[in-house]
This record gives sequence, C-alpha cells and structure tokens, in this order.
Amino acid sequence: GENVEQHPSTLSVQEGDSAVIKCTYSDSASNYFPWYKQELGKRPQLIIDIRSNVGEKKDQRIAVTLNKTAKHFSLHITETQPEDSAVYFCAASPPGQNFVFGPGTRLSVLP
Amino acid sequence: DGGITQSPKYLFRKEGQNVTLSCEQNLNHDAMYWYRQDPGQGLRLIYYSQIVNDFQKGDIAEGYSVSREKKESFPLTVTSAQKNPTAFYLCASSIVGVSNQPQHFGDGTRLSIL
Repeated sequence: GENVEQHPSTLSVQEGDSAVIKCTYSDSASNYFPWYKQELGKRPQLIIDIRSNVGEKKDQRIAVTLNKTAKHFSLHITETQPEDSAVYFCAASPPGQNFVFGPGTRLSVLP
Repeated sequence: DGGITQSPKYLFRKEGQNVTLSCEQNLNHDAMYWYRQDPGQGLRLIYYSQIVNDFQKGDIAEGYSVSREKKESFPLTVTSAQKNPTAFYLCASSIVGVSNQPQHFGDGTRLSIL
C-alpha cells in the first residue's frame, strides 16, 4: 500500500523568509495530493491540492510542486507570517482509495 | 452554515467503559471517515463509509465500532477493548466521485482515560 514520508518534522524560519516542506510517496498510481494546515487544537484545513496531471499549482503565497518521476511533492510558502505557524500534513491517494497522510511538519515563524 | 460537527469536544473514559463520539455533517457528502491523531504520527484511519448502511475498516479498527444509519451521521464507539484510547479523534467527510476529492474535517474530540 501507499506510504508517505514528510520532511522536516520541525521547521523554524524568520518572518518574511520562505518555507519548504517535502513529501515522498511510494505508490506510483497515486494521483491526488492535498496539503492540510492544522493550528493547535483545531481542525485540519485544506490549503492547497494538486493532481497528477499538473506539475505546479499556486495560490497567493502558497505553491505546491509535483515530481511524478521521483515521486515527491513539496509545499512552498513565501513571505512567511506568524499566522503561518502550524502543523502541515501532506497526503497521497491512488484513484478510488483513501488518503495516506504524512506524519506532519511543525512550522514556526519567528518574528 | 455547512460543516461537520463533532461532539463532545472533550470526553473522559473510565476503565471498562464504552464511549461514543458523535459526528454530524450537513454538506450532503456521501463519504465519512474517522481518524485517530497521536503526536508525531499524523492521521490514522479507523473506519470509513462511502454510503449509508455500509462501512469498512481502516488501518487501526481494532477496539472501535461505527454505524452509518443516516447519510449525515457517523458515530464512533470506542470500546473497552481499545486499551490505549487517549488521542484526538477527527471526523471527516467528502464527495464520492470519479476522482479523489478533498476531505473536510470537524473540530475533533479529545478523549482521555480517567
């Protein structure tokens, strides 16, 4: 079955810098890759997702890139702000199958 | 206002007791899911249901049970057989379609042992 790894487990950046979180997956059939943001004690919220027919997707300060050959996808946050501090989870899913989540990355944006 | 409602927010279980966590959605989604979240382990799937009156075990179903009698409701029972129930439990729902769709989460229930 699918296995998702996520790195780094913790990440600290200065406000205004960029942050990059990388996930690798094992099942080449996976074709949907969402990213969720979870603030302390709150629900995970979808922030961006990408399907395997595109290589990159952007939404304001957030972007996701997908490399199907290497089986990895990354979340890029530019111009980080304190409110970006949270735990970020990636997930991968083959068609018609359930999500497999990565273990999460705790991002701290330092003022 | 559409969404997923989980209750209670906090729950305490005594030794040998079964407890039930509620999950209700008004998004008209067909699929519903239960996840367990422990620190450093991401989200692990307990049970899921893609249609009323049908549900399937996830990766860690032992010690849990569910029912899906109504489209909008998917309660989770943590039985006394679950020896380590302390965790944050998240319910989610999604549209069932040809391609995978994003899952939308509730606010969670934090379960602790007394």
